[in-house]
Amino acid sequence: DIQMTQSPSSLSASVGDGVTITCRASQTIGNYLNWYQQKPGKAPKLLIYAASSLQSGVPSRFSGSGSGTDFTLTISSLQPEDFATYYCQQSYSTLSITFGQGTRLEIK
Amino acid sequence: QLQLQESGPGLVKPSETLSLTCTVSGGSITSSTYYWGWIRQPPGKGLEWIGSVYYSGSTYYNPSLKSRLTISVDTSKNQFSLKLSSVTAADTAVYYCARRHSGGAYQYVDYWGRGTLVTVSS
Repeated sequence: DIQMTQSPSSLSASVGDGVTITCRASQTIGNYLNWYQQKPGKAPKLLIYAASSLQSGVPSRFSGSGSGTDFTLTISSLQPEDFATYYCQQSYSTLSITFGQGTRLEIK
Repeated sequence: QLQLQESGPGLVKPSETLSLTCTVSGGSITSSTYYWGWIRQPPGKGLEWIGSVYYSGSTYYNPSLKSRLTISVDTSKNQFSLKLSSVTAADTAVYYCARRHSGGAYQYVDYWGRGTLVTVSS
C-alpha cells in the first residue's frame, strides 16, 4: 500500500492567517492527490483533485500544489468556516485508495 | 442533486456480519463515469477506504479487509451494499457510502452519504 503522511497533525491559527498543510506519499504518485475537508459530525467534502484543481464551488483561497511525493494544501486567508480537519488521499493506486491521517486546524 | 443514503443496523454483535445498503437518488448508478464505494471512520480517527464496486459488478477491496468483505450492486434498485463478516469492536465506525468519479485520468470522491454509525458490541 501507498502510505500517506500529513504534517502537522494539528495546528492553531487565527482568522485571516494563511496556513499550509503538507502531505507526503511513500512512493511517487505523480499528481494523483486529492484534498478533503471534514467538519465535526459531517461527511468529508472534496476541495482539490489532481493535486491542484479546485473542485467546483470551493473558494479560491484554497489551493494545492506538488507532484511526485510531496504536496501542499494552502489556505490563503482563513475564514471561520475553514476550521476543520483536512485529509489528503492518493488516487494513483486505484486498487487501494489511502488517506493521510488528517490535520486538525483549530482557532487560536 | 445526487444524494446517497446509508441504511442498516446500528448495532452488530461480535462475530456476526455487518450489512449496509446505500440508496442512490438523483442519478443513475449505471453511469460509466463512476464507481460506488464505502469508506469508514472509527470514532475520533481518520478515514479508511473499504472498497468500491462498478455498476457491472466489478469490485476493488481494501486488502486488509478483503477476506471478510463483499460489496455488491443492484442496478434495478439503484443501490449498492456492503457485507463485512466476523466483525469485532475494531469495526466500530461511521460508515460512509460514496461516489468515486472515474471518468478521466483522475479519480476522486465527489459525493458522500451522511454516514451511519455502526457499533459492534454484545
